[in-house]
Amino acid sequence: DAKTTQPTSMDCAEGRAANLPCNHSTISGNEYVYWYRQIHSQGPQYIIHGLKNNETNEMASLIITEDRKSSTLILPHATLRDTAVYYCIVRAQSSSGGGADGLTFGKGTHLIIQP
Amino acid sequence: DAGITQSPRYKITETGRQVTLMCHQTWSHSYMFWYRQDLGHGLRLIYYSAAADITDKGEVPDGYVVSRSKTENFPLTLESATRSQTSVYFCASSVRGIDYEQYFGPGTRLTVT
Repeated sequence: DAKTTQPTSMDCAEGRAANLPCNHSTISGNEYVYWYRQIHSQGPQYIIHGLKNNETNEMASLIITEDRKSSTLILPHATLRDTAVYYCIVRAQSSSGGGADGLTFGKGTHLIIQP
Repeated sequence: DAGITQSPRYKITETGRQVTLMCHQTWSHSYMFWYRQDLGHGLRLIYYSAAADITDKGEVPDGYVVSRSKTENFPLTLESATRSQTSVYFCASSVRGIDYEQYFGPGTRLTVT
């Protein structure tokens, strides 16, 4: 899987949009961009994923650049409950469901929402 | 919508004891996984299951046993607990496999004394 680079930490004011960048310059054509987060003392939580096009769901939007070398996760109206470590990973989807290669999170971005 | 639950949430056991961590999901996802998360090591896959009665080893399976007689349950047993197995254990599930989005439980914090 391609390597990703994320800022170590970011602050955002409550109610504002939080924009979390991720660089994945070595991404392959068949690799998707996934975002997870982990709130303190909780399990990781899947947020969103995409291949080329921008994606939106009830939690967030994912903007992928045209060259696919970077992406941005957008939380449109951040709340205090969005304070967490956010992980960007890239991963190919195997048609067989994949083998024993479990999810691996890097250091992620610690997003702190300020009241 | 209960999703994926784990029990117990906290467990303290002694070295050499057998302990079973339970995982239950209500989505009927085919795939289920057990991870452990430790400072300095991040998430590591212990075992996974593609369907009932189909299980396979992950990255760190030694000292653990799993079974999956029903789609919704995936218990993890430490046959003879060791201090190195002190960790936070997460169960996860997925519709299509390990390369696809995974949904995690709240975790079990296990301490082996």
